[in-house]
Amino acid sequence: DIQMTQSPSSLSASVGDRVTITCRASQSISSYLNWYQQKPGKAPKLLIYAASSLQSGVPSRFSGSGSGTDFTLTISSLQPEDFATYYCQQSYSTPHNTFGPGTKVDIK
Amino acid sequence: QVQLVESGGGVVQPGRSLRLSCAASGFTFSSYGMHWVRQAPGKGLEWVAVISYDGSNKYYADSVKGRFTISRDNSKNTLYLQMNSLRAEDTAVYYCAKPLLYCSGGSCYSPPDAFDIWGQGTMVTVSS
Repeated sequence: DIQMTQSPSSLSASVGDRVTITCRASQSISSYLNWYQQKPGKAPKLLIYAASSLQSGVPSRFSGSGSGTDFTLTISSLQPEDFATYYCQQSYSTPHNTFGPGTKVDIK
Repeated sequence: QVQLVESGGGVVQPGRSLRLSCAASGFTFSSYGMHWVRQAPGKGLEWVAVISYDGSNKYYADSVKGRFTISRDNSKNTLYLQMNSLRAEDTAVYYCAKPLLYCSGGSCYSPPDAFDIWGQGTMVTVSS
């Protein structure tokens, strides 16, 4: 099974900050990596697919990069509505996809 | 609009069964493979099962294989998850999810397991 890790597990940031979240796969997954945002009590929301493609309707301050085993999600200027938990997901071993443990972004 | 609505959750004793439903609307349900994903309280996301667009292929996470059965009724635009021999560790919010279909310039592409539409979730609690 492909294991996913994320760092940090949580972070505190201020509005306007640049935030970077890292996701690492236990083996190469090419660019089969998606990112989701989840707010408390809500379903996840797709932000980025195929490592770097921005989902329709998602603000351009979100970006994704990486390939192989190392990936990053960057929020260029954190907004109040961005405080949430972020999950990466590998789909290389589709349909047996796996999610990372999540990174909680909260207000400093 | 495109929507998924789950139902059927509740409190059930260990070893008992429960069937979840997911009603789809706003898209051509019969054209999409569909997934179930769950989230235990305070925990991360876990993929559970997938069924192909016509129901001919089904795959399960090891944690539920042999106990859960995914099915669909395309005439009713509804996805199901039959859960048998439930365990305490099956306690979770269960989401149904639709994969993204990206179309541009007359051609379409579905990135594997990129879920663009999720239901609101239904809570399943397994407890005596």
